[in-house]
Amino acid sequence: SQTIHQWPATLVQPVGSPLSLECTVEGTSNPNLYWYRQAAGRGLQLLFYSVGIGQISSEVPQNLSASRPQDRQFILSSKKLLLSDSGFYLCAWSVGGVSNIQYFGAGTRLSVL
Amino acid sequence: AQTVTQSQPEMSVQEAETVTLSCTYDTSENNYYLFWYKQPPSRQMILVIRQEAYKQQNATENRFSVNFQKAAKSFSLKISDSQLGDTAMYFCAFMTTDSWGKLQFGAGTQVVVTP
Repeated sequence: SQTIHQWPATLVQPVGSPLSLECTVEGTSNPNLYWYRQAAGRGLQLLFYSVGIGQISSEVPQNLSASRPQDRQFILSSKKLLLSDSGFYLCAWSVGGVSNIQYFGAGTRLSVL
Repeated sequence: AQTVTQSQPEMSVQEAETVTLSCTYDTSENNYYLFWYKQPPSRQMILVIRQEAYKQQNATENRFSVNFQKAAKSFSLKISDSQLGDTAMYFCAFMTTDSWGKLQFGAGTQVVVTP
């Protein structure tokens, strides 16, 4: 069966520090991968998605970037965090190709102080 | 661009009762998918139910069912025989068939099930 791992679960970082959040999927090949952000009390906003290694599409301009160095690994990064980067970050995967059901990781709560 | 609107920020229901959550969406597409996800206090997003727009039959999943009205662009979720474990934030989401799985979420409805 497929599983998705996301870490760390919680992170507190000072303004201006770098960020690296990691997401890996097991039990499937060539998944579509997604990074979402959820602000407090709000819905999810898609940040990045990837349909293959090295292929990243950005949905909103921001201080963050994403990379996919391996088929089932998706990384969310920042060189210098801003206060506005605080939030709950969720990684998700779906079957590669034109698919529809997304499965989510447990999320990372990021607090930038 | 597609938008998803959930007009009920919070709803309360007693155990064993039924609650209906509303969702409307705006799109010019003819083929798409609609979803309801729940997010319990653990923050894990869990798929509740999915509806394909080309199917007229409403989807059901145990105690969860939808009322899909394509012409009205409405997609409501009914939770029957509510249980304490149903307490969660519920999100309606939309996806076109050619969007590589990009989900557009509503703002969510907090459901509180009381004993």
